[in-house]
Amino acid sequence: AQTVTQSQPEMSVQEAETVTLSCTYDTSESNYYLFWYKQPPSRQMILVIRQEAYKQQNATENRFSVNFQKAAKSFSLKISDSQLGDTAMYFCAFMIPQGGSEKLVFGKGTKLTVNP
Amino acid sequence: DGGITQSPKYLFRKEGQNVTLSCEQNLNHDAMYWYRQDPGQGLRLIYYSQIVNDFQKGDIAEGYSVSREKKESFPLTVTSAQKNPTAFYLCASTEYRGTGRGYTFGSGTRLTVV
Repeated sequence: AQTVTQSQPEMSVQEAETVTLSCTYDTSESNYYLFWYKQPPSRQMILVIRQEAYKQQNATENRFSVNFQKAAKSFSLKISDSQLGDTAMYFCAFMIPQGGSEKLVFGKGTKLTVNP
Repeated sequence: DGGITQSPKYLFRKEGQNVTLSCEQNLNHDAMYWYRQDPGQGLRLIYYSQIVNDFQKGDIAEGYSVSREKKESFPLTVTSAQKNPTAFYLCASTEYRGTGRGYTFGSGTRLTVV
């Protein structure tokens, strides 16, 4: 069974600084996708960034970037120039896109607080 | 605009009652999912459906039931057999084509047992 582990239940960062959220996963598959989702206080789940396992290049989306280490099964999220609006729960998730269900398996989340 | 609509936003259930949570999407997505979110537990999969008239149990299906009579709709019924139904419920959908694009989520329903 695939599992996703987020080892930091809570983190805080000062506005404009950089923070990194950790995520590790366990799978025997070679083709998969990894995601970071953001859940602000409104509780709407928002896709932050997506990484395809067969691509060695790390994905980036504006201030958000990942450090994907396939051999180590690690997928950390770096948020640069943190803003107050980044305050949210962040979930790491994993998917195997085979001819089955494309189920997303989530970690338990990291609560990030950006302080002014 | 395309999206997923969940209703109601808040729902209160008495002990022993069945309640149904609505999930409708106009994205023409093939697959739909129901997740339960509890504090400190992340999101856990209840049921999912890849095509109309077909669905599968997820990791925590006991005490829940679903139907998929239309592509756009995937209602979740929380039955009296669910012993601890108080939680936040999220519905999601995605294209079922091996694209790995991730999900689009609804805004959720908060269910409370009173």
